[in-house]
Amino acid sequence: DTGVSQDPRHKITKRGQNVTFRCDPISEHNRLYWYRQTLGQGPEFLTYFQNEAQLEKSRLLSDRFSAERPKGSFSTLEIQRTEQGDSAMYLCASSVAGQETQYFGPGTRLLVL
Amino acid sequence: EDKVVQSPLSLVVHEGDTVTLNCSYEVTNFRSLLWYKQEKKAPTFLFMLTSSGIEKKSGRLSSILDKKELFSILNITATQTGDSAIYLCAVNNAGNNRKLIWGLGTSLAVNP
Repeated sequence: DTGVSQDPRHKITKRGQNVTFRCDPISEHNRLYWYRQTLGQGPEFLTYFQNEAQLEKSRLLSDRFSAERPKGSFSTLEIQRTEQGDSAMYLCASSVAGQETQYFGPGTRLLVL
Repeated sequence: EDKVVQSPLSLVVHEGDTVTLNCSYEVTNFRSLLWYKQEKKAPTFLFMLTSSGIEKKSGRLSSILDKKELFSILNITATQTGDSAIYLCAVNNAGNNRKLIWGLGTSLAVNP
């Protein structure tokens, strides 16, 4: 399967714990995006990378969230000191720079107890 | 502020019916409009529209854009239960093509 993959698919954690999610984009895609989606809402932009450079981070994102894409391929999203309000589906998408269509991975569903 | 509004928010139909989903937008420097289908997982891409009046078609699904009136419609003919999903509309603007501005989606339920 050459689509976008994400790991894990589900994560249950206790409040205050740190969690890390991984995204592997489509191999020739140089742009990678992270979104968060809660029930009944469209995806909310978190951050995006072009190659290894993080070019934008949403102002809605607190300092507890950090993302990396060290070699311009896979990316990780870490949430420190999780809160119940962090419970959501975390979506990763990738695209080719200059082409607007973004292709999504299956998402990681996070539940913070 | 850029925004995308979809209507209706939810819709229930019977198999075989035809449905029309609406997406209107207010976006500076419009570049493209995209439709996605979301079932119990991540959104899957359906169409990208950039020019007015040119219909995009894929099987029973079709979509068209009106850049003068700032809206798009997504038509589904002869609906099937497998069409049940949330249909999301997103708009890309030329000055900010690194993220999409999303509508809240239309939840479609097709009953047998």
